[in-house]
Amino acid sequence: AQSVAQPEDQVNVAEGNPLTVKCTYSVSGNPYLFWYVQYPNRGLQFLLKYITGDNLVKGSYGFEAEFNKSQTSFHLKKPSALVSDSALYFCAVRDMSSSGSARQLTFGSGTQLTVLP
Amino acid sequence: NAGVTQTPKFRVLKTGQSMTLLCAQDMNHEYMYWYRQDPGMGLRLIHYSVGEGTTAKGEVPDGYNVSRLKKQNFLLGLESAAPSQTSVYFCASSPNPAGTSYNEQFFGPGTRLTVL
Repeated sequence: AQSVAQPEDQVNVAEGNPLTVKCTYSVSGNPYLFWYVQYPNRGLQFLLKYITGDNLVKGSYGFEAEFNKSQTSFHLKKPSALVSDSALYFCAVRDMSSSGSARQLTFGSGTQLTVLP
Repeated sequence: NAGVTQTPKFRVLKTGQSMTLLCAQDMNHEYMYWYRQDPGMGLRLIHYSVGEGTTAKGEVPDGYNVSRLKKQNFLLGLESAAPSQTSVYFCASSPNPAGTSYNEQFFGPGTRLTVL
């Protein structure tokens, strides 16, 4: 079985400061990992993904994430937060070796990011 | 391209009523999905389809049925709505994720359903 944990329901950060949104995962094989963002009353938008290769993945809007296999983590980061980054962020995982219905994405419970002006 | 569209955007039902949610995508994607989003629980997969004419159960399929008669459309039906089905429903699509790579899912704007 695959699972994702986002340990923080809420993260507050001042504008201009670096931000981190945490994600840890559990899969039996190697993972595909994703970050999505959801703005109020909107669907989820893709930010970035890790499939293989470089552990540091760069995505949309200046976000990046670092894959750490030993810690089974995939934390989302941004060097300088903007007020417009305030949104709900979801981490998702799929086991690369899974088949059938297990090939689907499993989402975390989400982290509400608030960037204070 | 419109991407993934959902109708209706909002709906209020009484317990026991039925309804169908429509999802349409114009990206020629093979895979389509229905999720429900509830506070503090993230997104949970209801049903999915790997191609026209095929459907499969996800994590929380009870009380829902789906159909994929055309590649571009994926319908979610509630035959007898219950208050526990009050939620926000999202449709998503993706290219065939088989093989060594995996493509992200593209989401619709959601349908907010309230069952009284």
